[in-house]
Amino acid sequence: KAGVTQTPRYLIKTRGQQVTLSCSPISGHRSVSWYQQTPGQGLQFLFEYFSETQRNKGNFPGRFSGRQFSNSRSEMNVSTLELGDSALYLCASSTPGTSFDEQYFGPGTRLTVT
Amino acid sequence: AQTVTQSQPEMSVQEAETVTLSCTYDTSESDYYLFWYKQPPSRQMILVIRQEAYKQQNATENRFSVNFQKAAKSFSLKISDSQLGDAAMYFCAYRSADNYGQNFVFGPGTRLSVLP
Repeated sequence: KAGVTQTPRYLIKTRGQQVTLSCSPISGHRSVSWYQQTPGQGLQFLFEYFSETQRNKGNFPGRFSGRQFSNSRSEMNVSTLELGDSALYLCASSTPGTSFDEQYFGPGTRLTVT
Repeated sequence: AQTVTQSQPEMSVQEAETVTLSCTYDTSESDYYLFWYKQPPSRQMILVIRQEAYKQQNATENRFSVNFQKAAKSFSLKISDSQLGDAAMYFCAYRSADNYGQNFVFGPGTRLSVLP
């Protein structure tokens, strides 16, 4: 079974631009979560989508948004990029219904904002 | 809100020796799950071990085991017979047992170095 894939793997953007990141979950997984990882703040939860609906949201400004498609693939969008948005963005998928619902992570998209 | 603390930003261990990574958490919930994830340099985060809060027996996965102390809200990871491939960032994570959502709370991580 293929793992979680994220595209692109690396991205360089300029302050003020917007960016879209993509995540394809493991086949059969219907939940997709997004995290921002920075050296200073660690791993912070952005949001989770399940069956095309946002089910949970972390404490991030409205510039961060996401969506999920009927095939469970998910995208996250960051508008009006700021220097502080430079981070590794991780996507994780899981299959609710199991006792642990443990998450399987993708390799991440490293976003650099200049 | 739940919080997860890892008080050791960095640790090192000699190859073949044993090392214990600490994790404490704060929650008012009685049912939850705890996890240890490993993130090798420039590689994907992978699950190392997991524990259900209602189980008193400590989880074990090969060379990895946990010491779960529910009353003390402590969840340490012991790595036995350390190998060079164990070098990574280790994250302790908490998830509520309610089925509504996947809001994991991660600790800040412990960077483990394995010395040959």
